Amino acid sequence: DAKTTQPPSMDCAEGRAANLPCNHSTISGNEYVYWYRQIHSQGPQYIIHGLKNNETNEMASLIITEDRKSSTLILPHATLRDTAVYYCIVRVGGDYKLSFGAGTTVTVRA
Amino acid sequence: DAGVIQSPRHEVTEMGQEVTLRCKPISGHNSLFWYRQTMMRGLELLIYFNNNVPIDDSGMPEDRFSAKMPNASFSTLKIQPSEPRDSAVYFCASSHPGTGDEKLFFGSGTQLSVL
Repeated sequence: DAKTTQPPSMDCAEGRAANLPCNHSTISGNEYVYWYRQIHSQGPQYIIHGLKNNETNEMASLIITEDRKSSTLILPHATLRDTAVYYCIVRVGGDYKLSFGAGTTVTVRA
Repeated sequence: DAGVIQSPRHEVTEMGQEVTLRCKPISGHNSLFWYRQTMMRGLELLIYFNNNVPIDDSGMPEDRFSAKMPNASFSTLKIQPSEPRDSAVYFCASSHPGTGDEKLFFGSGTQLSVL
């Protein structure tokens, strides 16, 4: 699987949008971009995934660049409960392996 | 659905003792994963089952670790004998493959402390 690069940490103000970047410059054509998050003392939680097109669900939006070498996860209105470690993962479609890196520790401040 | 259920939530044991962690996947999911999380190594995949059959156990650290899935609704991860370096949070996850973009659903984990 392609490797990803994320900033180790970032702060965000409550109520503002949080934009989490991820670089995956070696991504292959059949690899999806997944985002998971892990709130303290809980198991990782699926957020969103995409292949080429931008995606949106009730939790977040995923913006993938045209060349697919990077993406941004957007939390539109961050709350204190969004404080967590966010993992960007690339994975071949249908492959069972999900490899977690260090992620980005996001702290939402009041 | 109750989600993936793991037990116990916390386990404290002494070195040399046998430890058994339990997992009940989401009903209908036929893939099950055991992960281990430590500060030093992050989240590591230990073993993957599909339709109750172990497909990939390359992440199991050593012979002291074993995992079974006797039926579609239950799996165990056993450590015998346990050592202090096994102290970690162990997560079970399940998914329902077949769509090509499977999402993993994780349990709340078992915090294991080996003294």
